Amino acid sequence: QQQVKQSPQSLIVQKGGISIINCAYENTAFDYFPWYQQFPGKGPALLIAIRPDVSEKKEGRFTISFNKSAKQFSLHIMDSQPGDSATYFCAASRFIGGTSYGKLTFGQGTILTVHP
Amino acid sequence: EPEVTQTPSHQVTQMGQEVILRCVPISNHLYFYWYRQILGQKVEFLVSFYNNEISEKSEIFDDQFSVERPDGSNFTLKIRSTKLEDSAMYFCASRTTSGPYEQYFGPGTRLTVT
Repeated sequence: QQQVKQSPQSLIVQKGGISIINCAYENTAFDYFPWYQQFPGKGPALLIAIRPDVSEKKEGRFTISFNKSAKQFSLHIMDSQPGDSATYFCAASRFIGGTSYGKLTFGQGTILTVHP
Repeated sequence: EPEVTQTPSHQVTQMGQEVILRCVPISNHLYFYWYRQILGQKVEFLVSFYNNEISEKSEIFDDQFSVERPDGSNFTLKIRSTKLEDSAMYFCASRTTSGPYEQYFGPGTRLTVT
């Protein structure tokens, strides 16, 4: 029940195309859904995050779409660039009291390659 | 921009040896975390630490593991008797006590157990 399932495992997109990565969760207690970007040799870095009170959040070329009833959320990268080539992880967390969110539960990761 | 740092970047050890992985969280952060990533697999939570005590731990974090904040800046993960399956990238993360809820990750320590 704690799993977050992510697909696809790898994705190849041409420069200027749209990259779409999907995640599904089981635990309805999750209420914070971040996406992390990881370059080789680096730690994960927060890209964008959403809470379930909104269905979409956009920051520049990156958009999260959230479907609470389906327990799914996705990352859309518009106008994909070669510099976007990285591993992307979705994650989920739940509020555990006070100002605290608990551990991050990560998806399996998607290796994105954007060809010039 | 402040960042989480980790040392060493790569540690090679023999099975059964003790290792200590070190992290310096961002200075005004008070929540600390350890995660690990076995090669080719997802990032997995190990433990969270707040106010000098463990606040949450996973089933991976057994008696072989311990965490400590020995001073005002360092946060350590100790593995008492390493096993081959402990080979992984270990990430430290930290965050503030209030929003935003972002956990900031360090670059990781690659642990290789031979």
